[in-house]
Amino acid sequence: AQKVTQAQTEISVVEKEDVTLDCVYETRDTTYYLFWYKQPPSGELVFLIRRNSFDEQNEISGRYSWNFQKSTSSFNFTITASQVVDSAVYFCALSGRDDKIIFGKGTRLHILP
Amino acid sequence: DSGVTQTPKHLITATGQRVTLRCSPRSGDLSVYWYQQSLDQGLQFLIQYYNGEERAKGNILERFSAQQFPDLHSELNLSSLELGDSALYFCASSLSEGTGDEAFFGQGTRLTVV
Repeated sequence: AQKVTQAQTEISVVEKEDVTLDCVYETRDTTYYLFWYKQPPSGELVFLIRRNSFDEQNEISGRYSWNFQKSTSSFNFTITASQVVDSAVYFCALSGRDDKIIFGKGTRLHILP
Repeated sequence: DSGVTQTPKHLITATGQRVTLRCSPRSGDLSVYWYQQSLDQGLQFLIQYYNGEERAKGNILERFSAQQFPDLHSELNLSSLELGDSALYFCASSLSEGTGDEAFFGQGTRLTVV
């Protein structure tokens, strides 16, 4: 069975600090996709990144970076120099061969001014 | 604005009733996905349609059904509603068939069953 674990339920950091959100996944599929989504207080879901299982290159987009490590089944998300606008719930998700998308429980991130 | 439109934004109904949630995907997108977000269950994938056909099925109850019409809009029908069906229901759309695509989400329909 596929599973996504976001062990950090809630994190608070002071603005400008770096913060890493952890995501550990389980799947027996060799081909799969991993995602991160952001849900700000307004409630909508915003796509952040998709990574397929064959692409282990880390990615950086502005202050956001993602570290995909198949050896540890992890797909962690780091925000550098955090800002108050980064406060949101962040979801990690997995889609495998059966095309069912499994979400983690989410990590609520508070950026304190 | 993601380009995905969901109506209504809010819905309050009684147990046992039936409701229909509507979703218009982004222009050009052929896939529509439905998700349920509740405090108990978190965010759950319900079902995906691609160009009118059911493509993938998640944790969708038998009391729930969906369809995608020729104009690509989709409806999620929830019947025999229970208190536990109260949730935020999201629709998302993407261009192609695979669930590995980037999906764009609507604002959601908040359903309250009383």
